[in-house]
Amino acid sequence: DQQVKQNSPSLSVQEGRISILNCDYTNSMFDYFLWYKKYPAEGPTFLISISSIKDKNEDGRFTVFLNKSAKHLSLHIVPSQPGDSAVYFCAASAGDNDMRFGAGTRLTVKP
Amino acid sequence: EAQVTQNPRYLITVTGKKLTVTCSQNMNHEYMSWYRQDPGLGLRQIYYSMNVEVTDKGDVPEGYKVSRKEKRNFPLILESPSPNQTSLYFCASSLYGSGIGFSYNEQFFGPGTRLTVL
Repeated sequence: DQQVKQNSPSLSVQEGRISILNCDYTNSMFDYFLWYKKYPAEGPTFLISISSIKDKNEDGRFTVFLNKSAKHLSLHIVPSQPGDSAVYFCAASAGDNDMRFGAGTRLTVKP
Repeated sequence: EAQVTQNPRYLITVTGKKLTVTCSQNMNHEYMSWYRQDPGLGLRQIYYSMNVEVTDKGDVPEGYKVSRKEKRNFPLILESPSPNQTSLYFCASSLYGSGIGFSYNEQFFGPGTRLTVL
């Protein structure tokens, strides 16, 4: 039972344009959400997070939006750069030490 | 350098032959966790540990054991590996676990161990 879903396995965008990665969840108890980025042959690295008391969090080129009523969050990367090409995982936690991850979206940014 | 290390990075073994994947962190983190990554399923938590001698099951604990005798080490043990345990395994640590009363902390991941069980 996947409680966190990333329905797009891949996304391709042109350098300089916006990348939008989406994530849906089913558990209304989730109260903390994170995005991780993963390059080949490396472990995931933390990118940005958001608490359920907020609807937006920004860090440089990366912004995460949370829509609690729709149980949906998205990661916006503006402008996209070739170095952003990686697999992005959405993760959520209900404060129970059990972090749930989505299946990941492979982003390719073309020069 | 702050890091999470895993050994071995690659392992091919046969069904039933006990193996241990080691994990060590040098950040004095209290919380450590093991995940497996499979195509289309993302990262699934196997076991986690809130502190020394405190471990608990994650989503997919069957066929695995862990121990936390020291704060820095959190080995993953497969007593009798089977082919369905062929996967990419990640160890992770964070200052604290998530939970009421704790600050949420992002997890730091190791580089991964690719295990093949024949």
